[in-house]
Amino acid sequence: GQQVMQIPQYQHVQEGEDFTTYCNSSTTLSNIQWYKQRPGGHPVFLIQLVKSGEVKKQKRLTFQFGEAKKNSSLHITATQTTDVGTYFCAGANNNDMRFGAGTRLTVKP
Amino acid sequence: NAGVTQTPKFQVLKTGQSMTLQCAQDMNHNSMYWYRQDPGMGLRLIYYSASEGTTDKGEVPNGYNVSRLNKREFSLRLESAAPSQTSVYFCASRTDRLGAQHFGDGTRLSIL
Repeated sequence: GQQVMQIPQYQHVQEGEDFTTYCNSSTTLSNIQWYKQRPGGHPVFLIQLVKSGEVKKQKRLTFQFGEAKKNSSLHITATQTTDVGTYFCAGANNNDMRFGAGTRLTVKP
Repeated sequence: NAGVTQTPKFQVLKTGQSMTLQCAQDMNHNSMYWYRQDPGMGLRLIYYSASEGTTDKGEVPNGYNVSRLNKREFSLRLESAAPSQTSVYFCASRTDRLGAQHFGDGTRLSIL
């Protein structure tokens, strides 16, 4: 079955440093979504990527979808304390969507 | 604008007890989902309902049953709770199979 791997599991950065999390699928995806979950909260949708090689930006966040539609990344420039939380990718293949295990980001002020 | 509402927020059960987790959405979404979240394992799909009147198994359905009562409501039932079912349960909904999922606040379930 489809598997979605996400690395790293944890990342601790100093405020102002950059952060990247990577998502890799065992199968070609129709689309990929990214979610953020604050500590004690629920996942909140950030963005969806559909096209091969697609790049989307939301302020300091940059999302990429690989050319083969099997991998994706989320990059945060100049992290802030408000960025803390766990970032999940969710890869979809037809009716099957699988979440990665998430990358937990902590930011030291 | 409530979105997705889950009840209860917290519950403690004894092994063997039964329990139904409730979920309701007011966004007129067709698809609804139940996930469990365990430390280090992300979100795993238990059951989903692509539309009113249909339900399908997800990745980890054993020990659970679901009911899509109407378009708004999707409940998850544990018939005989086991300690391995201790987890945080999230309900989610979306317009169709390609859209963003909207999550409820979760139910924190402990089974002793």
